[in-house]
Amino acid sequence: GENVEQHPSTLSVQEGDSAVIKCTYSDSASNYFPWYKQELGKRPQLIIDIRSNVGEKKDQRIAVTLNKTAKHFSLHITETQPEDSAVYFCAASIGAGTASKLTFGTGTRLQVTL
Amino acid sequence: NAGVTQTPKFRVLKTGQSMTLLCAQDMNHEYMYWYRQDPGMGLRLIHYSVGEGTTAKGEVPDGYNVSRLKKQNFLLGLESAAPSQTSVYFCASCRPLAGGSYEQYFGPGTRLTVT
Repeated sequence: GENVEQHPSTLSVQEGDSAVIKCTYSDSASNYFPWYKQELGKRPQLIIDIRSNVGEKKDQRIAVTLNKTAKHFSLHITETQPEDSAVYFCAASIGAGTASKLTFGTGTRLQVTL
Repeated sequence: NAGVTQTPKFRVLKTGQSMTLLCAQDMNHEYMYWYRQDPGMGLRLIHYSVGEGTTAKGEVPDGYNVSRLKKQNFLLGLESAAPSQTSVYFCASCRPLAGGSYEQYFGPGTRLTVT
């Protein structure tokens, strides 16, 4: 089955700096890569996703890049703010035909300090 | 529109006891999932369902059973709870969208402790 590795496990940045979280996946058939944000004590929520026919996607201060050849994708957060502090999970899915099952990474705890 | 709801929010069980966690969604989603979340291990899929009356095993199904008698409900059962099942359980639902987005909507979670 699919295996998703995520690094780093913890990341501390100063407010205004950029943060980068990286993930690799093992199954070349995976074609959908979402990122979820989970604030302390809350449920995970989708913040951005990318499909394998796209190399980069941006939404305001967050962006995701995908390298299919190397089987890795990354989350970039620019101009970080205290409210960005949370645990971020990457995931991979083969999508249609497999019940849209997601395999998650182990998470990155991002702390934005003042 | 409540989205995805879970009952109960918290529960403490003794080893060997049984219980059922209820997940309900009002978004008419076909797909539903049960995950467990443990520190440092992310979210792991226990069981999932692609429609009413169907269920399938995920990554960590042992010790759990599920049922999907109604489209809007997905039940997770623990027949004989073990301390290793102490975890936070999340339910999620999904409806694949045109263009290939498969956003999963999560419930608020159930914190289960088995002593």
